[in-house]
Amino acid sequence: KTQVEQSPQSLVVRQGENCVLQCNYSVTPDNHLRWFKQDTGKGLVSLTVLVHENDKTSNGRYSATLDKDAKHSTLHITATLLDDTATYICVVVDRGSALGRLHFGAGTQLIVIP
Amino acid sequence: EAAVTQSPRNKVTVTGGNVTLSCRQTNSHNYMYWYRQDTGHGLRLIHYSYGAGNLQIGDVPDGYKATRTTQEDFFLLLELASPSQTSLYFCASSDPGGVEQYFGPGTRLTVL
Repeated sequence: KTQVEQSPQSLVVRQGENCVLQCNYSVTPDNHLRWFKQDTGKGLVSLTVLVHENDKTSNGRYSATLDKDAKHSTLHITATLLDDTATYICVVVDRGSALGRLHFGAGTQLIVIP
Repeated sequence: EAAVTQSPRNKVTVTGGNVTLSCRQTNSHNYMYWYRQDTGHGLRLIHYSYGAGNLQIGDVPDGYKATRTTQEDFFLLLELASPSQTSLYFCASSDPGGVEQYFGPGTRLTVL
């Protein structure tokens, strides 16, 4: 059963536009949530981590929110650049196990066009 | 800066072939992981390890073996490769809580 759902699956925006990516999860107990950026065929690069209820983070043009009650997170990208073209992956850490298991979403593929 | 390296970066083999994927981390982390990534799926955990000599089964272990020879080195073995194992493989390491996982650049494996 998929425990981390991301939407949309793919998104095309014009350079300079803003966009919002969604992540809903059912992982229990959840500890914190991370957003990663993955360029095509490359590794995962951490963008931000959200830990507490109603956390909001900002990393340059990337900002994220977390609603633990709703088990929902959003990633906002402001004034998109061509280099933002990538897959954005939502990851929820389950601290219920000693390992701290990671549950990965399938990702949102963002394409930024000129 | 934490570092995880993988080799080879690309590998092509035939059905029934024997493949070893290598991972090395210089983070002094005890935990290491092997994942596979396929279109439409999130990363899926194959095997993981708590330390040298330790091996734990992940969520999709069938057809894979792994060995952790040292704290730094974790290997994934495909002894009879099948086309269904064509995928992008990632190695990662982390602290004991798995809070901060550092990922390698990936190995693209194609089984013909």
